Amino acid sequence: KNQVEQSPQSLIILEGKNCTLQCNYTVSPFSNLRWYKQDTGRGPVSLTIMTFSENTKSNGRYTATLDADTKQSSLHITASQLSDSASYICVVSASGYSTLTFGKGTMLLVSP
Amino acid sequence: KAGVTQTPRYLIKTRGQQVTLSCSPISGHRSVSWYQQTPGQGLQFLFEYFSETQRNKGNFPGRFSGRQFSNSRSEMNVSTLELGDSALYLCASSLVPGLGGTDTQYFGPGTRLTVL
Repeated sequence: KNQVEQSPQSLIILEGKNCTLQCNYTVSPFSNLRWYKQDTGRGPVSLTIMTFSENTKSNGRYTATLDADTKQSSLHITASQLSDSASYICVVSASGYSTLTFGKGTMLLVSP
Repeated sequence: KAGVTQTPRYLIKTRGQQVTLSCSPISGHRSVSWYQQTPGQGLQFLFEYFSETQRNKGNFPGRFSGRQFSNSRSEMNVSTLELGDSALYLCASSLVPGLGGTDTQYFGPGTRLTVL
């Protein structure tokens, strides 16, 4: 069964600090992995999309990594800001079946 | 360029009723996907439409249906509402079918459906 597990479930960090969110998946055959940011009461916003051949992709202060061998991905946030407070969702797509498997998300709170 | 719009934003219905939600994609986008988001299950894929054809469907009962019009606008319908259908319903648009590809999906703000 295709699954995506995210950790931690929630995280509180001080403004200006860095943090790393984890995503482990068992989706097969792998097509791509996406990270989304979802502010409370709003739709998700795409941060990065990575295919099998990509192991790092950046979007401003957000850097995603992918290890297709261990089926793990991480999202690193540098110099956090209050506006980074949101839920971060990892989504993995299976090729051939055109389905998406969603993680439950990590709720990040950046404290002043 | 205007983003994805969804109407209505909030809706309250009672069990047994039916509901229709609307989604207008970003101009030029021909693919629309629908998702259900609940606190317990998180985001779940409902279906994807491209050029008025349903391309993919998630694991939801037949009470959930949708369609896409020639102008790419899409509607989803839920019949015989159940309490468990209470959720945030999100639609996303992209230039080409998003599932399995790398095209960016742009989400709307969602419709919050409450079933009493």
